[in-house]
Amino acid sequence: DAGVIQSPRHEVTEMGQEVTLRCKPISGHNSLFWYRQTMMRGLELLIYFNNNVPIDDSGMPEDRFSAKMPNASFSTLKIQPSEPRDSAVYFCASSFGGIRNQPQHFGDGTRLSIL
Amino acid sequence: SQQGEEDPQALSIQEGENATMNCSYKTSINNLQWYRQNSGRGLVHLILIRSNEREKHSGRLRVTLDTSKKSSSLLITASRAADTASYFCATDGTGNQFYFGTGTSLTVIP
Repeated sequence: DAGVIQSPRHEVTEMGQEVTLRCKPISGHNSLFWYRQTMMRGLELLIYFNNNVPIDDSGMPEDRFSAKMPNASFSTLKIQPSEPRDSAVYFCASSFGGIRNQPQHFGDGTRLSIL
Repeated sequence: SQQGEEDPQALSIQEGENATMNCSYKTSINNLQWYRQNSGRGLVHLILIRSNEREKHSGRLRVTLDTSKKSSSLLITASRAADTASYFCATDGTGNQFYFGTGTSLTVIP
């Protein structure tokens, strides 16, 4: 079975550039999560979608970050303009049934480096 | 601040020994989950324990939960080199929040 698929796996770009991260959740899952992982702050939930609708985006650090889920099989996380402090590993995860009481299935992440 | 914190931060044991990791959290929860992360990979769900459960087993894994102390432990019995990874606890918070702990880095020496 295909798991959560993220692309690209690695992204290196210069500050000020727009960055778009992509995620395909597991088919049939109705909840999708974007996380950021850094050494300093650990794993942080950025935004949570349920049935393609953003439920909680309180973790999105700044207006430079935006996320969309146009359909049940695709989501994007966009950073515009990017800054060096955005360098991190970004994970997408999906689950069936929401944020509580359900295991989340993670992709292998996008390692983002902003120079 | 993060909801959960693991202890110890790092643990190194010999293959065949048991490994115990602890997690403390701050607010009331509905459930607590444990995840494993191998280097360069995404997190993998191991086990979920609900707030009204005290202990749960899955293969070589044993999880306990003490809601009065706001703590949980993960025991891996008869460890193997393949168990080398970071282990995280995760809890749901108020509203739609979901918090991961700081993680325990486990090294199992063959």
